[in-house]
Amino acid sequence: KAGVTQTPRYLIKTRGQQVTLSCSPISGHRSVSWYQQTPGQGLQFLFEYFSETQRNKGNFPGRFSGRQFSNSRSEMNVSTLELGDSALYLCASRPAGGSETQYFGPGTRLLVL
Amino acid sequence: AQSVTQPDIHITVSEGASLELRCNYSYGATPYLFWYVQSPGQGLQLLLKYFSGDTLVQGIKGFEAEFKRSQSSFNLRKPSVHWSDAAEYFCAVGEKAAGNKLTFGGGTRVLVKP
Repeated sequence: KAGVTQTPRYLIKTRGQQVTLSCSPISGHRSVSWYQQTPGQGLQFLFEYFSETQRNKGNFPGRFSGRQFSNSRSEMNVSTLELGDSALYLCASRPAGGSETQYFGPGTRLLVL
Repeated sequence: AQSVTQPDIHITVSEGASLELRCNYSYGATPYLFWYVQSPGQGLQLLLKYFSGDTLVQGIKGFEAEFKRSQSSFNLRKPSVHWSDAAEYFCAVGEKAAGNKLTFGGGTRVLVKP
């Protein structure tokens, strides 16, 4: 099976812009989670989607949002970008329904100038 | 709230020597525990996991970890390190009540000397 894929892999934006990142989970996986990784804060949970519904949300401002489509693909959006949003954004998928292991994609590295 | 502590930020080990990475967690019940490895510029690869049962778990690449409830620890070990093991290692706790939301430790960067 193909692993979790994320597009784009690299992105440069300027402050105030918005950005959309995409994640395609492993085939058959229905749950997608997003994490932000920065040198200062480490790995932090953003949110999780299952069957197109957000099930859990981390402690991030409302500028961070996401959605999941009927094919389980997910997008996250960050509006009004700030310099501090520069990070590696990781997506993880799991089958759900009792399977607790999450499999991570390679990430999207976002640089905000 | 749950938390994970990896006390060692950096560890340098000689190739062929043994490696042990420490992980302590805080969680109210029996946790789901994971070790992931991240190579530079890459995502996270699962090394091993503990859900229940045998407290010594085997993973990929020759790694193993031992769950010790009394010490709230889940230390990762490898008997003989290879140069390719140079990477950053993350311990994580899964929160069962929240769809296995993962809380990560700060990571331990492992350098391997030839």
